[in-house]
Amino acid sequence: AQSVTQLGSHVSVSEGALVLLRCNYSSSVPPYLFWYVQYPNQGLQLLLKYTSAATLVKGINGFEAEFKKSETSFHLTKPSAHMSDAAEYFCAVSGGAGNKLTFGGGTRVLVKP
Amino acid sequence: DTEVTQTPKHLVMGMTNKKSLKCEQHMGHRAMYWYKQKAKKPPELMFVYSYEKLSINESVPSRFSPECPNSSLLNLHLHALQPEDSALYLCASSHPSGGSNYGYTFGSGTRLTVV
Repeated sequence: AQSVTQLGSHVSVSEGALVLLRCNYSSSVPPYLFWYVQYPNQGLQLLLKYTSAATLVKGINGFEAEFKKSETSFHLTKPSAHMSDAAEYFCAVSGGAGNKLTFGGGTRVLVKP
Repeated sequence: DTEVTQTPKHLVMGMTNKKSLKCEQHMGHRAMYWYKQKAKKPPELMFVYSYEKLSINESVPSRFSPECPNSSLLNLHLHALQPEDSALYLCASSHPSGGSNYGYTFGSGTRLTVV
């Protein structure tokens, strides 16, 4: 079975500061990894995805993530937080049988002015 | 067209009502999914359809009945729901291989309230 664990259910950053959201995965097969963002009362928007092409993945809105197999991690970063980054962020994993996409518990980001 | 469209956006229903949620995509995706999301929780998989056939049912109660009438449409029929079924219901679609380079596309969801 595949799973992801997000460290920290809440993260508070100042506007302009680094955003770092942590995700560790567990998978018996090479994983496909995703980061999604969810704004209040909305669906999920894909930020970026890792599909084994490159370990450093650049996404939308200035976000990027690095796949580290040795650490089983896929942490999400953004160099400078903006007020509009306040949202819920989910790490997710898929692969293996059944096309299942499984989510981590989520991290809520609060951006302080 | 790169969207998944869900209707209605909001639904209030009584415990004796029958209603349906609808999901539509025109990206040629042959895998479609229903997820349930409670407040402040991650989405939880309910059903997976692959090539219009039900491939995964995550032990969902029978008061939820999925249907995939064609490659573009996915329905979720609701009957005799309980207040604890109130949640955001998300539809998603993907290439049949799921986690391949094509990724998953989500709709904006239907906010369901059972009274």
